[in-house]
Amino acid sequence: QQPVQSPQAVILREGEDAVINCSSSKALYSVHWYRQKHGEAPVFLMILLKGGEQKGHEKISASFNEKKQQSSLYLTASQLSYSGTYFCGTPLEAGSYQLTFGKGTKLSVIP
Amino acid sequence: SQTIHQWPATLVQPVGSPLSLECTVEGTSNPNLYWYRQAAGRGLQLLFYSVGIGQISSEVPQNLSASRPQDRQFILSSKKLLLSDSGFYLCAWTKAFNEQFFGPGTRLTVL
Repeated sequence: QQPVQSPQAVILREGEDAVINCSSSKALYSVHWYRQKHGEAPVFLMILLKGGEQKGHEKISASFNEKKQQSSLYLTASQLSYSGTYFCGTPLEAGSYQLTFGKGTKLSVIP
Repeated sequence: SQTIHQWPATLVQPVGSPLSLECTVEGTSNPNLYWYRQAAGRGLQLLFYSVGIGQISSEVPQNLSASRPQDRQFILSSKKLLLSDSGFYLCAWTKAFNEQFFGPGTRLTVL
């Protein structure tokens, strides 16, 4: 069962912040985050392997709440280059290399 | 460094025609390989994955098939294309439980 992402779409002005959520009705063993620009392949952002883990990548960071079965991606002081569709992916089962992805959150950053 | 190639980049095929998409990975050995399909404006759907030569697992029953004739080569095929086969096909690889690296994709239009 694929994870659920929210919101489906968000429009930001440059410099604003956004939060993208990824939740699952079953156990989350780990969470992968990817960004895909229009017409291009998804690009890996980060992976969170343990509950309580937080990671950052420039002004993009993420947290993983294993108990709540959810992860959140935080984009601060957004830039035009942040525009794209963000996907979270989770393993189908513990130790699996197969990921099931959410439907994506389309982020548009405008000047 | 590792690279992943896909070809062709774009393809327009009539309904009922055969299909062959190729994916090759360089710079690594014994990768896990994946085929995904992305319909317009939709998420990533896992079609096939492979953990080794000749080992193929299918996630979704359909008129597509996959083969892995060599360690770093993954082929997606169909004997007769359907209109619903149109989409953006992405090949990806991973080593162990780590980030997935996506190829540039093939945009397939079935008319």
